[in-house]
Amino acid sequence: KNEVEQSPQNLTAQEGEFITINCSYSVGISALHWLQQHPGGGIVSLFMLSSGKKKHGRLIATINIQEKHSSLHITASHPRDSAVYICAVGADKLIFGTGTRLQVFP
Amino acid sequence: ETGVTQSPTHLIKTRGQQVTLRCSSQSGHNTVSWYQQALGQGPQFIFQYYREEENGRGNFPPRFSGLQFPNYSSELNVNALELDDSALYLCASSLNRGNNSPLHFGNGTRLTVT
Repeated sequence: KNEVEQSPQNLTAQEGEFITINCSYSVGISALHWLQQHPGGGIVSLFMLSSGKKKHGRLIATINIQEKHSSLHITASHPRDSAVYICAVGADKLIFGTGTRLQVFP
Repeated sequence: ETGVTQSPTHLIKTRGQQVTLRCSSQSGHNTVSWYQQALGQGPQFIFQYYREEENGRGNFPPRFSGLQFPNYSSELNVNALELDDSALYLCASSLNRGNNSPLHFGNGTRLTVT
């Protein structure tokens, strides 16, 4: 079993839909990262959180430390949100999930 | 401020050869981490450098080595290349080590070993 599990692995949505991506981890952590990776390979850091909830534009990330679970929500999804979303935990040595591939169609 | 830049963007090498990948960290960042991402997989931690010293290493053989320079740029060297070394190599810099600094990633170097 991987130390960081994401679900679903693949997700398709119509423009405007509300999206939820889940991340569960089995190790003790100090921080959890949500990252976005586009087809070219570059990775953008979306959130780093250790408790509660963070919001940036249409993106919301929550974490429940007791349940070792985090969710990334996208409100009013748009085709430009199509990417791979990766959850990673840790401090200096990050452990990554395998990612959720999201496709949003117009 | 300039972001994290990696070079080259693409590289093709033959099995047994050696390769050097380069990463310029974001201005002011003293910590650089390297990751290997095989196709369809999440990135795997290779090692991290903090102020020119190695600060942690993942499960990679000694033929993967690194260096960080006084300006905090970094190199990843891989000797005796194997076919399984074909992957996207990502570099990330942060203001400091530990969990209080967001990561800034480069666009990666895609290495193909034939």
